[in-house]
Amino acid sequence: EAGVAQSPRYKIIEKRQSVAFWCNPISGHATLYWYQQILGQGPKLLIQFQNNGVVDDSQLPKDRFSAERLKGVDSTLKIQPAKLEDSAVYLCASSFGTGVQETQYFGPGTRLLVL
Amino acid sequence: GESVGLHLPTLSVQEGDNSIINCAYSNSASDYFIWYKQESGKGPQFIIDIRSNMDKRQGQRVTVLLNKTVKHLSLQIAATQPGDSAVYFCAENIGGYNKLIFGAGTRLAVHP
Repeated sequence: EAGVAQSPRYKIIEKRQSVAFWCNPISGHATLYWYQQILGQGPKLLIQFQNNGVVDDSQLPKDRFSAERLKGVDSTLKIQPAKLEDSAVYLCASSFGTGVQETQYFGPGTRLLVL
Repeated sequence: GESVGLHLPTLSVQEGDNSIINCAYSNSASDYFIWYKQESGKGPQFIIDIRSNMDKRQGQRVTVLLNKTVKHLSLQIAATQPGDSAVYFCAENIGGYNKLIFGAGTRLAVHP
């Protein structure tokens, strides 16, 4: 079974530029998550989709971050404009169902450096 | 490659020894706990989970212990191998929409 796919793996941009990340979850997984992992810390949830609807975006900085999952499969996360403090690894995860206590499977992440 | 957690607490063990990694969680309402392993340059990998109605669960070479009284979780790795070297995170599920809150992580360094 293929895992969660993410691209690009690395991205370097200057502050105030925009950037987009792509995620393809495990086939058949209904729930998709985007996390931000700052160096030295654990992942922090940014947004969670069930199918193509948002169920939690309480920690998403909505003035600059946006995400969509239009067809309930793959998803994009965008930052516009980027700030220095956005330098982090952006992880995508997916889980099979829409219930609680579902195992989340993570992709390899996109490493973003904002200069 | 990029290191995950340059300033994390580190547990150093000899190959073949048993390792115990500890974690304190914050929310007494959390009902599901997971341990993840993260190697440098990779995403977190599921190791083992435990529900709040249990106090112990065993997997292959790993055991998770849950003490709800003091809100403490531990991961025991038997016969630690060099391939176990990584950063280990505990995560608590606070219910609702399967939201996970991750701890700060512990780096495990296995020496031959």
